Amino acid sequence: EVHLVESGGGLVQPGRSLRLACEASGFTFDDYAMHWVRQAPEKGLEWVSGISWSGDTIHYADSVKGRFTISRDNAKKSLSLQMISLRAEDTGLYYCVKDSGITVAPTNGFDSWGQGTLVTVSS
Amino acid sequence: QSVLTQPPSVSEAPRQRVSISCSGGSSNIAYNAVNWYQQFPGKAPRLLIYYDDQLPSGVSDRFSGSKSGTSASLAISGLQSEDEADYFCAAWDDTLTGWVFGGGTKLTVL
Repeated sequence: EVHLVESGGGLVQPGRSLRLACEASGFTFDDYAMHWVRQAPEKGLEWVSGISWSGDTIHYADSVKGRFTISRDNAKKSLSLQMISLRAEDTGLYYCVKDSGITVAPTNGFDSWGQGTLVTVSS
Repeated sequence: QSVLTQPPSVSEAPRQRVSISCSGGSSNIAYNAVNWYQQFPGKAPRLLIYYDDQLPSGVSDRFSGSKSGTSASLAISGLQSEDEADYFCAAWDDTLTGWVFGGGTKLTVL
């Protein structure tokens, strides 16, 4: 069974940094692309970033480009999201998501989701 | 404002059929597959439909998907109270080079 466990969320002031992590188990991690998807309180889903199985292909949403950096360590079966210059609008639940394929897109969707880690950006 | 447009809410009686629309454009739905996600309150989303009309293992065949041009639809037949949830469509956008979601549709079973 696929397990994705996020960590690293918390309360942070605007302009500060935070690093999210995701530990994966139950599948061959380096066979799949991975993503971060966030959800602001009482709002919809927003894709943040995706990384291919090898890490060679990375894409970001325009809203985070230049501020967030996604990375993966296949040996440790882990995914990370380094976030700098955080803004109030970055507040939300951040999900670690497994893709159904090896590339960032287009694929047959996100077939496994973690429970999320909450990031709150506020002074 | 979401790139993909969904109605904020739909409602229908038990045992009836309901459809949820998802409208996009030439850079997303027209040439890329649409996936649908179901999310219950306080829970993580789950993949409901992939590649426009395919059901993942374990998903009830009461759910179906379709696509035509720049729009897609999710249909749920034989509505049950446990279908009450939020539903999101998603597709890859070639112009934005990113995944885009619809704003979500809240389904109420009357």
